Amino acid sequence: EVQLVESGGGLVQPGGSLRLSCAASGFTFSSHWIHWVRQVPGKGLVWVSQISSDGSTTTYADSVKGRFTISRDNAKNTLYLQMSSLRAEDTAVYYCARDRSDGTGAFDIWGQGTMVTVSS
Amino acid sequence: DIVMTQSPDSLAVSLGERATINCKSSQSVLYNSNNKNYLAWFQQKPGQPPKLLIYLTSNRESGVPDRFSGSGSGTDFTLTISSLQAEDVAVYYCQQYLGTPGYTFGPGTKVDIK
Repeated sequence: EVQLVESGGGLVQPGGSLRLSCAASGFTFSSHWIHWVRQVPGKGLVWVSQISSDGSTTTYADSVKGRFTISRDNAKNTLYLQMSSLRAEDTAVYYCARDRSDGTGAFDIWGQGTMVTVSS
Repeated sequence: DIVMTQSPDSLAVSLGERATINCKSSQSVLYNSNNKNYLAWFQQKPGQPPKLLIYLTSNRESGVPDRFSGSGSGTDFTLTISSLQAEDVAVYYCQQYLGTPGYTFGPGTKVDIK
C-alpha cells in the first residue's frame, strides 16, 4: 500500500524546536518530490515547503523561511522537517504530501498528519 | 504569490442535485511550456487529510466518481458535482501548483445537504 506516515508532533514552547518525520512506503520514494502542508484545525491548507527527489532543491513559504529546514534520507525512505524558533502561529496539523512527479505535479498521496502545538 | 479565492464559502444542495464551486486565481496558472493549467481540487472530510479529486484542471484522479468534474482556464475554474451524494459532504479546496513560488490553496468551500 502506498502511504505516508507523519510523526514527531507534540507540544513545544515558543522559541523551541521540533523535528517532524514522514515515513514513506509502497512506492519509490527517491523518485518523488515531497511537500509539507499545514492546517490550523478548522482552517484552510497552507503550503510550507518542498524538496526535490534527490534533496538538492528546497523551497519554503515566506512564513517559515530561515526557521524551518526540509530534508530527506532516501536510504531510509524518510522526509524531515526541522522546525526552530517556533511561534504560536506555527500551531497546526502538518501533512506530508507526495508530488506525483510525472509532469502533472499533483499532490496525490497525503499522510494523516501530525499535530504541532506551540504554547507556554 | 498567486492568491486563490473561492465562491461560495458554503452551499447546501439537495441530494441528486448539482453543486458548483468556483475558484479564481490572482494570475494565470497556465504553464506556457505545455499549455496546461496547474489547478487541482481536493476534498477534505472531518478528521481526514485532503484527497486529490482533479488535477491539471480537468483530469479526474483514479477512483474518483465521474460525478466530479473540473473545468476552466487561465484564472477561472469550476468544480462541479453533477449529482450530490451524502458522502460528498466535505470541504473542497482548489490549489494552484504552478508554483513560482509556492503552491497556494483557496480558502475552501463547505458543501452540505439541503
